[in-house]
Amino acid sequence: EAGVTQFPSHSVIEKGQTVTLRCDPISGHDNLYWYRRVMGKEIKFLLHFVKESKQDESGMPNNRFLAERTGGTYSTLKVQPAELEDSGVYFCASSPRGGTYEQYFGPGTRLTVT
Amino acid sequence: AQSVAQPEDQVNVAEGNPLTVKCTYSVSGNPYLFWYVQYPNRGLQFLLKYITGDNLVKGSYGFEAEFNKSQTSFHLKKPSALVSDSALYFCAVRDMLQDYGGSQGNLIFGKGTKLSVKP
Repeated sequence: EAGVTQFPSHSVIEKGQTVTLRCDPISGHDNLYWYRRVMGKEIKFLLHFVKESKQDESGMPNNRFLAERTGGTYSTLKVQPAELEDSGVYFCASSPRGGTYEQYFGPGTRLTVT
Repeated sequence: AQSVAQPEDQVNVAEGNPLTVKCTYSVSGNPYLFWYVQYPNRGLQFLLKYITGDNLVKGSYGFEAEFNKSQTSFHLKKPSALVSDSALYFCAVRDMLQDYGGSQGNLIFGKGTKLSVKP
């Protein structure tokens, strides 16, 4: 079974540009989560999809961040326009409906905004 | 407010010695607790969890953790450390204020503890 995959693994962009991160969850997992870790700090929750619906987006920092999950499969997280403080590692995780509580994480996308 | 604290930024142990990585939590109600490990250039990998039942839970790679309700702690332990255990360890608790029922719900993480095991 393939794990959670994320693309790209690294992205370096200039302030004001747009970046789109992609996450492919484990096949069949209804729950998809986005998290972010700013250097040396906690991993912070951003939002949670159940299939294609946003269950909880309370962690999204502002309206420069837009997440979608088309057809309940892969998800994208767009940052537009990017700011310096958006730099960090963005993790995606998935879990099955009715599962055993743990979430399965992807390798992360390291975003650097210069 | 709900939170997880990992008081040590780094833990250094010699190979073969026991190791402990500390974690304390603050959460509403009964906690669901997790440990994850991140090896260099890899994603977070699930190690073990406490949901209910026996306070001592065993997980992958010989790790175990003890849930202590009175001390609100969930320390990660291993009797004999290996050099290959060197990694970044994260403690997490399920956010009980966003409880949709079932097994869904986001996690609240600590800052992480870097474990360094020397030969």
